[in-house]
Parts: sequence; structure tokens; C-alpha cells
Amino acid sequence: GAVVSQHPSWVICKSGTSVKIECRSLDFQATTMFWYRQFPKQSLMLMATSNEGSKATYEQGVEKDKFLINHASLTLSTLTVTSAHPEDSSFYICSASTQGFYSPLHFGNGTRLTVT
Amino acid sequence: AQTVTQSQPEMSVQEAETVTLSCTYDTSESDYYLFWYKQPPSRQMILVIRQEAYKQQNATENRFSVNFQKAAKSFSLKISDSQLGDAAMYFCAFIQGAQKLVFGQGTRLTINP
Repeated sequence: GAVVSQHPSWVICKSGTSVKIECRSLDFQATTMFWYRQFPKQSLMLMATSNEGSKATYEQGVEKDKFLINHASLTLSTLTVTSAHPEDSSFYICSASTQGFYSPLHFGNGTRLTVT
Repeated sequence: AQTVTQSQPEMSVQEAETVTLSCTYDTSESDYYLFWYKQPPSRQMILVIRQEAYKQQNATENRFSVNFQKAAKSFSLKISDSQLGDAAMYFCAFIQGAQKLVFGQGTRLTINP
């Protein structure tokens, strides 16, 4: 089946620094990838939609300058949390879809970010 | 905007028994997909079952089945013969058009041995 690899699985960084999270589709080409954020005991909230070769589309309320998304190839999307603050601490999950609408989304294992 | 509502924050069931998780959604579209995802403590999102809105037949995957009521915009998940490994957060999700999954709030399912 389709596999999405997300790296790192957890990261601790100091306030003010930036951290990059990678999301790779290992055995399929993903023209679209999605980035979600999940707070403890809450649901997944879509942050942005990442399209290969074009700018990401951010959901309302998501700071595009803080959460930089790059989708440079059909198998890789990155999320960079810039100038991280403790309130950015969260669980971030990416997902990717194979071709065609309504295909099941495949999720990465998530990244737990802790900003100290 | 599409919304998905799971009105049961927590549910529990005895091992080997049957439990039903509720989900309602709101949309003006006629063509869409509905999903149930499972998120165990590992936090990996696992697709449990999906339903195409144009299909009247309820989807079934082994012990998991849905009751899809399109007119009522209801999409419940039935888990038969519950097993300890079924314990997890369950999210109902809706997708239409641009493949943006909209999740419900989740239901935490506990299996009592």
C-alpha cells in the first residue's frame, strides 16, 4: 500500500529557532499533500494544502509566514516552523493522496514538536 | 462550509460486544466521500472504512460496517465483536472536491475486558 514517511517523529527546539518537518511519499507520486495540526485530545485541523510546484494554500487563521510549506517535488513536502514559540508545540501530521479525487488519504506518522 | 459532528466524546464497550459510533455532517453537495479513521495511542491515522455518497449500499470491512443515511446526513460506524485492539480515537471525516478532509471532533473508544 501507499506509504507516507514523516520525519522527524519528534523534535525539541528552543524558542526562536526554526524547525523543518519532512513528508515523503515513498511509493507513489503525490501531487497534493496536506498538513494538519493536532492539539492533545483534539481533532486534526487542516493547516494548509501543498501542491507540487506551486504555492501552498493556507487555511484561515494559519500564519503563512510562520508555517512555511514547500512542495518541490512529487514525493516531498516540507513544513518549516519559523521562529518557534512554546505555543507552536503540537503534533503535526502530513497526508498525501494518489491521483484522482476521493482517493484515500495516506498519513505520515506525525511529528511531535516541543518548543522550550 | 462542510462540518462534521461527532456527539459522543467517549464510548466504552465490553470486549466481544457491538458498539456504534455516531457521526453527522452538513453539506449541500451530492457527491462526496465519508471516512472513518482510527487513531491509536501511536497517533498513526488508520483508514477504517469509507463510503461513497452515490452508493446506497453500506460499506463493510470485516467487523466494521457503516449505516449511511444520506437524507439524514448521518454516517455511523458499527464495530462488531469488539477487540482490545479496537481501543482508539475514532474520527469521522468528510471529503468533497478538493480532497480537503474535514474531521469530526473524535470519539474515544474504550474496550473493557
